[in-house]
Amino acid sequence: RKEVEQDPGPFNVPEGATVAFNCTYSNSASQSFFWYRQDCRKEPKLLMSVYSSGNEDGRFTAQLNRASQYISLLIRDSKLSDSATYLCVAMDSSYKLIFGSGTRLLVRP
Amino acid sequence: DAGVTQSPTHLIKTRGQHVTLRCSPISGHKSVSWYQQVLGQGPQFIFQYYEKEERGRGNFPDRFSARQFPNYSSELNVNALLLGDSALYLCASSTGLAGGQNEQFFGPGTRLTVL
Repeated sequence: RKEVEQDPGPFNVPEGATVAFNCTYSNSASQSFFWYRQDCRKEPKLLMSVYSSGNEDGRFTAQLNRASQYISLLIRDSKLSDSATYLCVAMDSSYKLIFGSGTRLLVRP
Repeated sequence: DAGVTQSPTHLIKTRGQHVTLRCSPISGHKSVSWYQQVLGQGPQFIFQYYEKEERGRGNFPDRFSARQFPNYSSELNVNALLLGDSALYLCASSTGLAGGQNEQFFGPGTRLTVL
């Protein structure tokens, strides 16, 4: 079993749609959690950190449920420019990042 | 401020050769981590360095080695290259301080092709 699991997608949605990605992690000792965005053949870029209380950054909302070991990302009012691969990431106690395989999002006009 | 820089951007080697990849972290960051990303997968952790000391090592063979210099830049070395070493090698920079989220910021990567 992978340490961080994500649905690979692709999620194909129209502009303006709301889309949600989910992710589970297996190491209950994981310290911090993140969502990264990766465009084709580019490096991952930090989208947002994920806090237990939930956090929002514009159209993006992230949630963490430590009891269920579950992380989510909600994107509202999808834009064409949101098309990318979204990587769910857990950081262990030694500051090592454990990545999921990514969920691919395609936003169509 | 410059972000994380890596060199070279692309590299083509043949099996059995050796390669050195370089990374400079964000100014003020003291920790550098190296990751390998093969097509269709998320990045896999190779090494982490903080204040010139190795703080973690992933499940990679001894052909992989790294070091961090006094100016916090880092090198990743891979000996006896195999075809399976073809990948995007990513360097990530962070403060390395205990506590807090310790976000890691990635450089553009070095794309290594082994023929």
